[in-house]
Amino acid sequence: DVKVTQSSRYLVKRTGEKVFLECVQDMDHENMFWYRQDPGLGLRLIYFSYDVKMKEKGDIPEGYSVSREKKERFSLILESASTNQTSMYLCASSRGLNTEAFFGQGTRLTVV
Amino acid sequence: EDQVTQSPEALRLQEGESSSLNCSYTVSGLRGLFWYRQDPGKGPEFLFTLYSAGEEKEKERLKATLTKKESFLHITAPKPEDSATYLCARGSNTGKLIFGQGTTLQVKP
Repeated sequence: DVKVTQSSRYLVKRTGEKVFLECVQDMDHENMFWYRQDPGLGLRLIYFSYDVKMKEKGDIPEGYSVSREKKERFSLILESASTNQTSMYLCASSRGLNTEAFFGQGTRLTVV
Repeated sequence: EDQVTQSPEALRLQEGESSSLNCSYTVSGLRGLFWYRQDPGKGPEFLFTLYSAGEEKEKERLKATLTKKESFLHITAPKPEDSATYLCARGSNTGKLIFGQGTTLQVKP
């Protein structure tokens, strides 16, 4: 079974802090994704990566950056957390583009 | 613009009362149609992938079908444990999955 593991289930951070969300997958998938999910707005793609050291902006990249130094690990970075970044963050991986993506359990981030 | 629209937004069923959820999408460049189940506070769980019109996939009480313009998730004789939000997503020319807003299903005993 594919396993996508996010480093934290719940996080509380202060405004202005630099925040790191980590994601690891164990299926040697090429593609990895970061989404945020908010009530009424659905899943929105922040960034994705189709190879090590490669990244592409999604629909809402502002205020975020990513890092993919190893194939199995994809990190989301909030350079200076703000309250409007309070959300559920979901990491996913897939074997190829337009193939099924498998999600982690999510990180509920609260910025105060 | 690629779009995915799910209906209804919410659905309440009695246990055993079969129904269908709809997912319609813009037609150009479909590269797969995906169904997920999401429980509150958890990540989406993959259910089905459909690539061709006429294709069907089944798993327990769920059956997904695909036409040229839409997909249906049929739920036969649902149980309370089927209560969840069901998401559909379409593939695209850019390789990104485009998600709908979801249908929240509640099955009452």
